[in-house]
Amino acid sequence: DAKTTQPPSMDCAEGRAANLPCNHSTISGNEYVYWYRQIHSQGPQYIIHGLKNNETNEMASLIITEDRKSSTLILPHATLRDTAVYYCIVSSSINYGQNFVFGPGTRLSVLP
Amino acid sequence: DTGVSQDPRHKITKRGQNVTFRCDPISEHNRLYWYRQTLGQGPEFLTYFQNEAQLEKSRLLSDRFSAERPKGSFSTLEIQRTEQGDSAMYLCASSALGGLNTEAFFGQGTRLTVV
Repeated sequence: DAKTTQPPSMDCAEGRAANLPCNHSTISGNEYVYWYRQIHSQGPQYIIHGLKNNETNEMASLIITEDRKSSTLILPHATLRDTAVYYCIVSSSINYGQNFVFGPGTRLSVLP
Repeated sequence: DTGVSQDPRHKITKRGQNVTFRCDPISEHNRLYWYRQTLGQGPEFLTYFQNEAQLEKSRLLSDRFSAERPKGSFSTLEIQRTEQGDSAMYLCASSALGGLNTEAFFGQGTRLTVV
């Protein structure tokens, strides 16, 4: 089972910031929070990941609370092309690798 | 394009036939993963390779499913005696070696339809 909970859907106006929340209250000390998104009929696209510090890249920012029990993905200026299902994942360790356990995600609709 | 490549992108087969999918990971990525995704659901883990060794298999991987990565580069996923319930998107991902701080990159998937 996924270790995260997310709202099933959200809307955002084009050009505004999209803030996608995620709860991961059972996260362990060495586990990272990953965000992927999936545009219809395509494979999941990696966005960002972090451990405890806030992270930023060219796609998004990731804000992780101090207790690490929740996080927020921020798309600073959403465009119509950001409409997708966004997955928040806490990966689990398996046999020298890691398993990305996907939940149902948040369906983000960016509206014109 | 240096991303994960999957072939074919789409496959329609009759029930009972065998199908094989191929995944070419990002060059020099030691880890390779197979996932399955049905409509409206998130991807579900099937199996994982580190180099040529298959180190983990999900309970979802029935006896009709077999995956190989013979030289530690490309991988194949074969489904024997396909059933309608096998209709899904089959996704491959790869990552470099590392701990939990290692992102995986996914291919575009192979969409299987069993009729």
